[in-house]
Amino acid sequence: DAKTTQPNSMESNEEEPVHLPCNHSTISGTDYIHWYRQLPSQGPEYVIHGLTSNVNNRMASLAIAEDRKSSTLILHRATLRDAAVYYCILEEYGGSQGNLIFGKGTKLSVKP
Amino acid sequence: NAGVTQTPKFRILKIGQSMTLQCTQDMNHNYMYWYRQDPGMGLKLIYYSVGAGITDKGEVPNGYNVSRSTTEDFPLRLELAAPSQTSVYFCASSGDRLPRNSPLHFGNGTRLTVT
Repeated sequence: DAKTTQPNSMESNEEEPVHLPCNHSTISGTDYIHWYRQLPSQGPEYVIHGLTSNVNNRMASLAIAEDRKSSTLILHRATLRDAAVYYCILEEYGGSQGNLIFGKGTKLSVKP
Repeated sequence: NAGVTQTPKFRILKIGQSMTLQCTQDMNHNYMYWYRQDPGMGLKLIYYSVGAGITDKGEVPNGYNVSRSTTEDFPLRLELAAPSQTSVYFCASSGDRLPRNSPLHFGNGTRLTVT
């Protein structure tokens, strides 16, 4: 399976932007990049996904490097509610069962 | 907007007991999944289903069984509980085989302790 590498933890201040990095140097040309997050005592929730172009939605932005070997999830103004574990996951094209492999992710702390 | 509902939220079992973790979704999704999450770790896939009557094993199926008699429900059965099954269990559903077409929707989990 294609692998991703994320920092174990990051800290940010409330109302400041947060850039969460993810390395995926073995990504193939057809693999999608997904981000999910898991708030305390809850199940993971979908944040955003993309293939090549940068993507924006109401929750976040996804910036994908030109060589696609890394990506960054951008939270434009962190709130206390954004404190969570963020998972960067690759969906391989032609995956046998379509499931996503969740690693340990990055634990984001937000300080008031 | 109920989404994916899991019951119970918490359960303590003695070694050798059995129980069923319930999962139901109201989004008419064909694809459903059971994951377990051990402390400080990611999620591991136990079983999945691509539609009513069809189930298949994931990465860590030993000690568990599933059934899918309806589109809505996907219960997970533990027959002989062991301490190694102490974990948080998450059920998820999706409208498509490929997450790129339809994201996974998760329930809030069942925290199971086996002593």
